[in-house]
Parts: sequence; structure tokens; C-alpha cells
Amino acid sequence: DAGVTQSPTHLIKTRGQQVTLRCSPKSGHDTVSWYQQALGQGPQFIFQYYEEEERQRGNFPDRFSGHQFPNYSSELNVNALLLGDSALYLCASSWRTVYGYTFGSGTRLTVV
Amino acid sequence: KNEVEQSPQNLTAQEGEFITINCSYSVGISALHWLQQHPGGGIVSLFMLSSGKKKHGRLIATINIQEKHSSLHITASHPRDSAVYICAVSLNTGNQFYFGTGTSLTVIP
Repeated sequence: DAGVTQSPTHLIKTRGQQVTLRCSPKSGHDTVSWYQQALGQGPQFIFQYYEEEERQRGNFPDRFSGHQFPNYSSELNVNALLLGDSALYLCASSWRTVYGYTFGSGTRLTVV
Repeated sequence: KNEVEQSPQNLTAQEGEFITINCSYSVGISALHWLQQHPGGGIVSLFMLSSGKKKHGRLIATINIQEKHSSLHITASHPRDSAVYICAVSLNTGNQFYFGTGTSLTVIP
């Protein structure tokens, strides 16, 4: 039974570029939440997708957008990248938004 | 002020020592989670608590709802326990988590 899968594992982008990160939830899960973890900090909530809609959003600018597909997988898009967007991006999946919360291993994004 | 505060931020212990990591929160919660994060990023859920105490192997987690406080204990610590331990709470209102900044534990052989 596969857990939460994130791709890619590492990514280097240039300031101003756009990036797309992907997350496949654990089998049986229907909800995907995205978090940003800066070096030395705890994860910060970006948003949560359930039933293909953004259900909740943290304090992140509109440059951060997402999508959930019918198979429950999700994408996180970041436009106009800034150096400060360099972080580990974590995806967590759950069932009915809150049950069985499981984290992926993350995507390490470096903006240069 | 963060909704979740952890202490200490960094902890170094000798192998075999008993370790305690503390977490305090300031909001109404539906559950508190203890997470383990190894270098490279991947997070593993250790415990989910809404009351009382849970034990798994050498790990023990307790929560006092009235005092809004939780502790994670590691008995007979081992170098493989070296990781960042993160306390996270899920709120009564809404489905998101709030995370502490983590406690970086190093266990020396």
C-alpha cells in the first residue's frame, strides 16, 4: 500500500520562474494538504483540497495556487518565484479532510 | 506569538539517557500530534493524542488538556533517535494543523 508520493524530490529554479509540484495521496485518502517548511522552521499551512476544491487556505499570496484531480492527486503551483520561496514543500493526505493524516517526504525547492 | 511552542529547540543526549520534549499550545484543539522528521525531510507520524497517554516501544506521549501541554518521552535513547521532533495541533475549528518549530535531538553514542 503506497504512502503519499511527491515529485520531484529536488528542484532548482531561477527567480521569476514558475514551478509545479505534484502529490499522490495514500490509497483510500481523498484530501490533500500542502505545507511549506523553511529551513529551521515548522511547516506552515498553504492550503487544503477536498472534492477538487480549495477548502482552506493559509496566509500565502495568490502566487501559490493548486489543483486537485478526480483521482485525488494534487498539484501545487508557484508563480514568479522569489528567493524566499526556497523551502521543503510537504504534502499530506487524509480521508474526509482529517482522518489518517499521512505526510509525504517532500519536495526540496531551491530558488537561485 | 505562535499557537504551538516547543522546548527545548535543541537537545543533545548521551546514548541511554531519558529524554523529554515539551509542547504547549494556546488554542482549542481536537488532537495533538507528535511527528518525527529525519534529515532530507520525510515526516513520520508518531502519535495522535486527544487525552491521556500513549506508548509505542521506547516512546511515550502524554497530554494534559486542562493545562494545554504535552510531552514526548524517549526512554533508553539511541543514536537512531536523532531527528527533529515536531508537535502539531489540529484545531476544533477547521481542518488545518499548526506546527511547532521542532526540537532537534542528537543522541551521541
